[in-house]
Amino acid sequence: GENVEQHPSTLSVQEGDSAVIKCTYSDSASNYFPWYKQELGKGPQLIIDIRSNVGEKKDQRIAVTLNKTAKHFSLHITETQPEDSAVYFCAARASGGGADGLTFGKGTHLIIQP
Amino acid sequence: AAGVIQSPRHLIKEKRETATLKCYPIPRHDTVYWYQQGPGQDPQFLISFYEKMQSDKGSIPDRFSAQQFSDYHSELNMSSLELGDSALYFCASSSQQGRELFFGEGSRLTVL
Repeated sequence: GENVEQHPSTLSVQEGDSAVIKCTYSDSASNYFPWYKQELGKGPQLIIDIRSNVGEKKDQRIAVTLNKTAKHFSLHITETQPEDSAVYFCAARASGGGADGLTFGKGTHLIIQP
Repeated sequence: AAGVIQSPRHLIKEKRETATLKCYPIPRHDTVYWYQQGPGQDPQFLISFYEKMQSDKGSIPDRFSAQQFSDYHSELNMSSLELGDSALYFCASSSQQGRELFFGEGSRLTVL
């Protein structure tokens, strides 16, 4: 099955700086890579996703890059703000069709220092 | 916009009791997923349903069962509860066209 590794487990950055979270996956059949933000006591919120036919996707301060050859993808947050503080999860899903479940990374606790 | 609705939000049970969690997907979503998240852990996939049929199975214990009904809502039934079952249980839904998963706010189960 799929295995997703996520680094770092904790990331502390100054407000206004950029944050980068990296993930690797094992199953070359995976073709969908979402990123979720989870605040304490709440459900994971989809913030951006990328499919394997695209190398980069950007949405305002958030961008995701995908390297299919190396099987890794990254989340980039620029101009960080206090409300960006949360746990971020990367995930991967294979193209098997049906309703395949996502495999999540272990999460990154992002702390924005004022 | 309508989101995934889960009930109850909080549930306290004793060991060996039974619990049922409910999930109402986003309208027109035909696929439902169940995840379990322990404290400080990532969500673990349990089971999914597409068009009322079980589609994929993850690390769901034999003591747990689930189904999706004709109105697409889903229920997760947990029997012979153990202390280790204490966790947040999330439901997510998607449509086969979009495939993005949208999560509910979760049901927190505490087993005493």
